Amino acid sequence: EAQVTQNPRYLITVTGKKLTVTCSQNMNHEYMSWYRQDPGLGLRQIYYSMNVEVTDKGDVPEGYKVSRKEKRNFPLILESPSPNQTSLYFCASRPQGTGANVLTFGAGSRLTVL
Amino acid sequence: AQKVTQAQTEISVVEKEDVTLDCVYETRDTTYYLFWYKQPPSGELVFLIRRNSFDEQNEISGRYSWNFQKSTSSFNFTITASQVVDSAVYFCALRGEYNFNKFYFGSGTKLNVKP
Repeated sequence: EAQVTQNPRYLITVTGKKLTVTCSQNMNHEYMSWYRQDPGLGLRQIYYSMNVEVTDKGDVPEGYKVSRKEKRNFPLILESPSPNQTSLYFCASRPQGTGANVLTFGAGSRLTVL
Repeated sequence: AQKVTQAQTEISVVEKEDVTLDCVYETRDTTYYLFWYKQPPSGELVFLIRRNSFDEQNEISGRYSWNFQKSTSSFNFTITASQVVDSAVYFCALRGEYNFNKFYFGSGTKLNVKP
C-alpha cells in the first residue's frame, strides 16, 4: 500500500530533550515536506526537500532540523524542544514535477513538550 | 504573497442540510492550484479535489461540489444532504506555479453535522 509512515504517533517529552520524528514513504517520491498544525493557524510548512541532500526552509523552520540522506526518509529533528513546539506534525510527499501533484500525508505525530 | 482565508471557523448543521464552506485565496501567480483536504476526527488528512487556475468548471462528485470563481478568488465547497460522517475539519490550500514547493493552507473550517 502506498503510504507515508510517521513515528512516533504520540510523544510527551520535556524541554531540552532532543527528539526525532521519523518519516518514510514507499512511493519513490522526490519531494517531501514537514508541517505543523496548530488551532486557528491551519498547517504551516516547516521544511521541505526536493530530493536527496536538497532541503530548504518553509515558513516556520526555527527550532527544527531535517536531513535527507535517502530518498524514502525525511526525519524531523528537534534539538532542544520547547513548549511552543507542542503541536501536531505531518509529513507529506509527492512526485516532483508540476504544481498539480497532490501531497500524500502521513497520519500525524502529536508532540507535547512539558 | 500567497494566502488562503477560510473565514468560517466552525459550522454546525443538522443532518440532510446543505452546507457551503468558503475559501478565498490570494496569489499573484497566473498559474496556480487549489486543493481541498478533509481531516476527520481520526486526524489524517484526506485529499478531496485539485483544481488548476485555467479550469473554472465546477465539479460535482456525489454529494460534494466545488465552485471555482477567479473573478472573486474563491473556491467554495458545498456538501449536499450532509451526513454525520461529513463531520470533520476541512482545509483549503493553494500552491503557486512560481514557487510550487510551498503549499499554503487556510486555517480550516470545522463542520459539525448533528443527527
